[in-house]
Amino acid sequence: DGGITQSPKYLFRKEGQNVTLSCEQNLNHDAMYWYRQDPGQGLRLIYYSQIVNDFQKGDIAEGYSVSREKKESFPLTVTSAQKNPTAFYLCASTQFGTTSEAFFGQGTRLTVV
Amino acid sequence: RKEVEQDPGPFNVPEGATVAFNCTYSNSASQSFFWYRQDCRKEPKLLMSVYSSGNEDGRFTAQLNRASQYISLLIRDSKLSDSATYLCVVNFRTSGTYKYIFGTGTRLKVLA
Repeated sequence: DGGITQSPKYLFRKEGQNVTLSCEQNLNHDAMYWYRQDPGQGLRLIYYSQIVNDFQKGDIAEGYSVSREKKESFPLTVTSAQKNPTAFYLCASTQFGTTSEAFFGQGTRLTVV
Repeated sequence: RKEVEQDPGPFNVPEGATVAFNCTYSNSASQSFFWYRQDCRKEPKLLMSVYSSGNEDGRFTAQLNRASQYISLLIRDSKLSDSATYLCVVNFRTSGTYKYIFGTGTRLKVLA
């Protein structure tokens, strides 16, 4: 079955550590996105990528980094520079274009301990 | 001004009620529009796309008003299972790329 997979589902990190969240899709989608969601809040765009080896900053990119070396994969690194990383992280993918819906992974819940 | 704005609610309505949500967007170049549903601690899932002509899916009706830059979602005959957060999503082109921008969501609670 085609889909988008995020791992891990739950992640605990000590302050000062970098962690990488995985996002893989087998939908052959061109575009991939990372969002952050805080309790009671909507989704805020961190980074997005339309094609391999290219990505753009979203609205809250500070303290995060990404790579897009393969079409299927768009990992997100939460660096120690991110001051408040505890949140629910969602990865999405779409076909490139104006009318495609976004498909989501099940999310990674990151907690800084 | 936020790119996509929604009333956060919560909307507490009795079972069987009709409820309407609005969402406004600021970018007139916005090209496609969606409503997503998100259950607590889960990923959002597409509820319906929104077209200029309006579209209906069972008890759900979505409308787009480009002149006033808003979209709406109407839920008729609310069920307990409709309790969730409803997210408005706008897709627009900027600098050769497409961005999907989400509203903050409107929480709906349907009461027995």
